[in-house]
Amino acid sequence: EVQLVESGGGLVKPGGSLRLSCAASGFTFSNAWMNWVRQAPGKGLEWVGRIKSKTDGGTTDYAAPVKGRFTISRDDSKNTLYLQMNSLKTEDTAVYYCTTTGITPWGQGTLVIVSS
Amino acid sequence: EIVLTQSPDFQSVTPKEKVTITCRASQSIGSSLHWYQQKPDQSPKLLIKYASQSISGVPSRFSGSGSGTDFTLTINSLEAEDAAAYYCHQSSSLPQTFGQGTRLEIK
Repeated sequence: EVQLVESGGGLVKPGGSLRLSCAASGFTFSNAWMNWVRQAPGKGLEWVGRIKSKTDGGTTDYAAPVKGRFTISRDDSKNTLYLQMNSLKTEDTAVYYCTTTGITPWGQGTLVIVSS
Repeated sequence: EIVLTQSPDFQSVTPKEKVTITCRASQSIGSSLHWYQQKPDQSPKLLIKYASQSISGVPSRFSGSGSGTDFTLTINSLEAEDAAAYYCHQSSSLPQTFGQGTRLEIK
């Protein structure tokens, strides 16, 4: 059974940092290209970024609003995906989900609130 | 960036009705188009992947079609539990993008 469990969210001040984690199980994590997707309160879905599998180079790509501030990494030995978020802004407030295309279900997400 | 435009934004429908939601891409995305259902306070649920591939556990009344720039999600014989927001999503090129969503209300 596929499981994606996000954690690490919380309340942080503007300019602060936070690291999110996503524990994956039920599929071959090391082969998966993993994404982070977020959803601001009452809004639609927004792709944040992606990391390829190490076999495919392990490279990362980011959406313009987070490029240079967010970093995606993975630890295949722990089946875990990470999102390091620096220089947080109020507009980063959202529920963050880790996903991989075609895999279901999504996790419950983790809420990040950026507020002074 | 590929823009996905869904229509309608909102629809109020009666049970057992057939519903069609469309998603138009600003450029060709082949079949790399996926559909999600999201109910209030829940995470999105994958309904259809790669335009028309069914997902295990998803009721057969949900189906998808299309390729290139025009895609359709069809819900046959709508049920009360189908009240939700529906999103299309393209994974053809970066940045990946989502449609703005279609909210379905059951009368």
